[in-house]
Amino acid sequence: DADVTQTPRNRITKTGKRIMLECSQTKGHDRMYWYRQDPGLGLRLIYYSFDVKDINKGEISDGYSVSRQAQAKFSLSLESAIPNQTALYFCATSDDGTDTQYFGPGTRLTVL
Amino acid sequence: GQQLNQSPQSMFIQEGEDVSMNCTSSSIFNTWLWYKQDPGEGPVLLIALYKAGELTSNGRLTAQFGITRKDSFLNISASIPSDVGIYFCAGQLTGGTSYGKLTFGQGTILTVHP
Repeated sequence: DADVTQTPRNRITKTGKRIMLECSQTKGHDRMYWYRQDPGLGLRLIYYSFDVKDINKGEISDGYSVSRQAQAKFSLSLESAIPNQTALYFCATSDDGTDTQYFGPGTRLTVL
Repeated sequence: GQQLNQSPQSMFIQEGEDVSMNCTSSSIFNTWLWYKQDPGEGPVLLIALYKAGELTSNGRLTAQFGITRKDSFLNISASIPSDVGIYFCAGQLTGGTSYGKLTFGQGTILTVHP
């Protein structure tokens, strides 16, 4: 079984709709991250959380919100999706005291 | 904004050739990591580097943490078709606000022709 899972894997939605992407992990890590990937831009950090009570904005947080429901769960929401949020979204985890991050398989989101 | 410059952006090579890619920055990094992303998957860690000057190998892969702490390279020897994918460098910048966060390069797209 995968250590970091993301649901859904693919989603097509319309402008203005609310969307939630979910991430679960069985690695027991405290730190969780949400990134988006666009061609030629690498991965950019949206939000991150170092434990259940900790939420921090990343490089590109505008238009997004997150919820850390438990150590193992970190969800990303788009309150009102817009076409330029069409991208590949990745969740990642890491252990305290290390820089190595482990990524989920990604969610491909298309906003029409 | 983007603080890591990764090059080349793409490479088309023949099977058996060696590959070299690098990342440079004007900022100092504490850690350098190299990831590979297969189509339809998330990035997977290849090599982690923690000290300036460190040279580390993982099979046909070799990576080095630059002495100035502002650059790193990844070499792949004797490439094979399954080396196809996107390779990312990532690093943790020095400074308290960067704690626990990685900065990623733009990626190098590698295509290997049999």
